[in-house]
Amino acid sequence: EVQLVQSGAEVKKPGESLKISCTGSGNTFNNYWIAWVRQMSGKGLEWMGIIYPSNSDARYSPSFQGQVTISADRSISTAYLQWSNLKASDTAMYFCARLIPGSWGGFDYWGPGTQVTVSS
Amino acid sequence: QSALTQPASMSGSPGQSITISCTGTTSDVGSYNLVSWYQQYPGKAPKLMIYDGSKRPSGVSNRFSGSKSGNTASLAISGLQAEDEANYYCCAFAGRSTLVFGGGTKVTVL
Repeated sequence: EVQLVQSGAEVKKPGESLKISCTGSGNTFNNYWIAWVRQMSGKGLEWMGIIYPSNSDARYSPSFQGQVTISADRSISTAYLQWSNLKASDTAMYFCARLIPGSWGGFDYWGPGTQVTVSS
Repeated sequence: QSALTQPASMSGSPGQSITISCTGTTSDVGSYNLVSWYQQYPGKAPKLMIYDGSKRPSGVSNRFSGSKSGNTASLAISGLQAEDEANYYCCAFAGRSTLVFGGGTKVTVL
């Protein structure tokens, strides 16, 4: 069974850096696109960007370009979402999700989410 | 890249049918049959209900169906059940390896 395991909840201060992770089953991870999705409290889903771990080809939503960095380490089947200068407005739940193989038509597996809280 | 437009809320009685709309543009919904729909309960991860516009993943009830007309995609739920009470989101491919979500629709079963 495919599983996406995300790193634990984080509490950070404004201005700090952070890197959260999403680890999947090896055979079903490196050759599929993995996306990051933000959900602020009580709000909807927002597509942030996506990466192909096999070659680290990353694409970003215009809304998040330059605000975060998406990377991957295929040797450990892990994708990352990184901030260098956190803001209170980054407080949200962050999900990783796998794009259906061979299609841009949906995300078939989701991680449980990582809660990020940024507060002074 | 603007969010797709969904009604904020919809409701129906058990057994009734409802249809949630998801309106985009000629750059996303209108150009590709790559719309997906997700069901999300509070505090949980989203669950894929429809992909590639109208395909149902294994295990998803056939009470859920997807369609598209022009720039608007739709998710129909027939025979509404209490367990269908959740938030529903559409998502569409917007070209150049980008995607966009709708704002979400809260479905209430009366």
